Amino acid sequence: QVQLQQSGPGLVKPSQTLSLTCAISGDSVSSKSAAWIWIRQSPSRGLEWLGRTYYRSKWYNDYAVSMKSRITINADTSRNQFSLQLNSVTPEDTAVYYCARGHYDSSGSYLGDDHWGQGTLVTVSS
Amino acid sequence: DIVLTQSPDSLAVSLGERATINCRSSQSVLYSSNNKNYLAWYQQKPGQPPKLLIYWASTRETGVPDRFSGSGSGTDFTLTISSLQAEDAAVYYCQQYYSTPPSTFGPGTKVDIK
Repeated sequence: QVQLQQSGPGLVKPSQTLSLTCAISGDSVSSKSAAWIWIRQSPSRGLEWLGRTYYRSKWYNDYAVSMKSRITINADTSRNQFSLQLNSVTPEDTAVYYCARGHYDSSGSYLGDDHWGQGTLVTVSS
Repeated sequence: DIVLTQSPDSLAVSLGERATINCRSSQSVLYSSNNKNYLAWYQQKPGQPPKLLIYWASTRETGVPDRFSGSGSGTDFTLTISSLQAEDAAVYYCQQYYSTPPSTFGPGTKVDIK
C-alpha cells in the first residue's frame, strides 16, 4: 500500500529556508495517475494547499499564488521522493506541513488526496 | 480562489443519531465535461492527517463505512453521518479541486458526541 514518510527539521530560524522531504513507498513519484502535493495547517489559516509536482511525459509544477515567489517543489526519481523548499520564512510560516498524493483515475479525473504523510510541525523562531 | 464555507462550526450529536454538515462554494464546482462535482470530504482526528472520505461529492473512498454519505451539486453540498459512532468524533473538511491551483479547503466542522 502507498505510504508517505516525511522528514526534515522541526525548527527553522526566520529568514532561512524550510526544507522537507516526503519519501514514497508503494507508488512512483513518476506515476501518471498521481500528483505529489504539499499542504500545511495552522490554527490561523486552516488547511492551506501549497503546491504540487506531477509527471505527464514531462514534469509540471503548480504553486499557490501566495507562495509563488518563495516555494520550490522537486521530485527525485532516483530516491522516489519529493521535497518542499520554502524560502525567507517568517513566524507566520509556523504550521504542520503535510505531503499527500493526489490520485487520478484512468481517464484523468481527480479522485482526491488519498494518502497523506504523518505531518511535520515546523516552528519558525530564533 | 474558490472560497468554501461550512456550517455549523460545530455540533454535538448523540450516538446513533444523524449528523449533517454543510459546505457552500463561492462558485460552482460542477465540471460540465464529465458532470462531476469536484468536491471532497475529509475527516481529521487529533494528531492525525486528514483522511479522505468522499470524492466527486458523493463517491465513498474504499473502506469508508456506508454510514458516511455525500450529496449536493454545483455550490451546495452535504456530508451526512447516518448513525453516529464514537469513533466519528472528529473535524470534517470539504475541499474543492475544480479550480486548481490552488485547491482550497473549508474551515472545518467539529463533531462531538453528546
